[in-house]
Amino acid sequence: AQSVTQLDSQVPVFEEAPVELRCNYSSSVSVYLFWYVQYPNQGLQLLLKYLSGSTLVKGINGFEAEFNKSQTSFHLRKPSVHISDTAEYFCAVSRSGGSYIPTFGRGTSLIVHP
Amino acid sequence: NAGVTQTPKFQVLKTGQSMTLQCAQDMNHNSMYWYRQDPGMGLRLIYYSASEGTTDKGEVPNGYNVSRLNKREFSLRLESAAPSQTSVYFCASTDGGYGYTFGSGTRLTVV
Repeated sequence: AQSVTQLDSQVPVFEEAPVELRCNYSSSVSVYLFWYVQYPNQGLQLLLKYLSGSTLVKGINGFEAEFNKSQTSFHLRKPSVHISDTAEYFCAVSRSGGSYIPTFGRGTSLIVHP
Repeated sequence: NAGVTQTPKFQVLKTGQSMTLQCAQDMNHNSMYWYRQDPGMGLRLIYYSASEGTTDKGEVPNGYNVSRLNKREFSLRLESAAPSQTSVYFCASTDGGYGYTFGSGTRLTVV
């Protein structure tokens, strides 16, 4: 079985400040890792993913994440946030094979203040 | 536009009524999923279909049934709706698990 823990339920930050959203996972097998963003009243949109290879992954809208196998973490970062980044962010993990069932964290609400 | 289409977008049911949520994808994906999203709970898997002709229970299947009608369509049925099923329902699909495409959701209220 696999699980995902998003360590912060809410992260307030001022515009143009850097931000890190934390995600830890547990799994006994190799995994794929994902970050999704959900804007109000919308579905989930893929931000970035780690499948294999380089541990630093770049995504859309200036976000990046680093896979750390020893710490079982996949934290999401952005060097300078905008008001438009205000949204719910979900970390997800799935087995790299089999039925590909993703397990999602409970979400982190990023609130960007002017 | 290619993607996952969910209908309806909004629905209000009375306790005990039944309804079917429809989901269709046009990306030729093998695997499809139904999730429910509740505040502070993230997304919880209701049922999934790893491939056409197969369905399996997820984390919270009670009160729901599913049908994988063909490769494109995966429907979710509530036989006798209860207030605890008030939620936002998302359908998703993938091919190979390299990323999941979500529909825009169905907001269901059971009164």
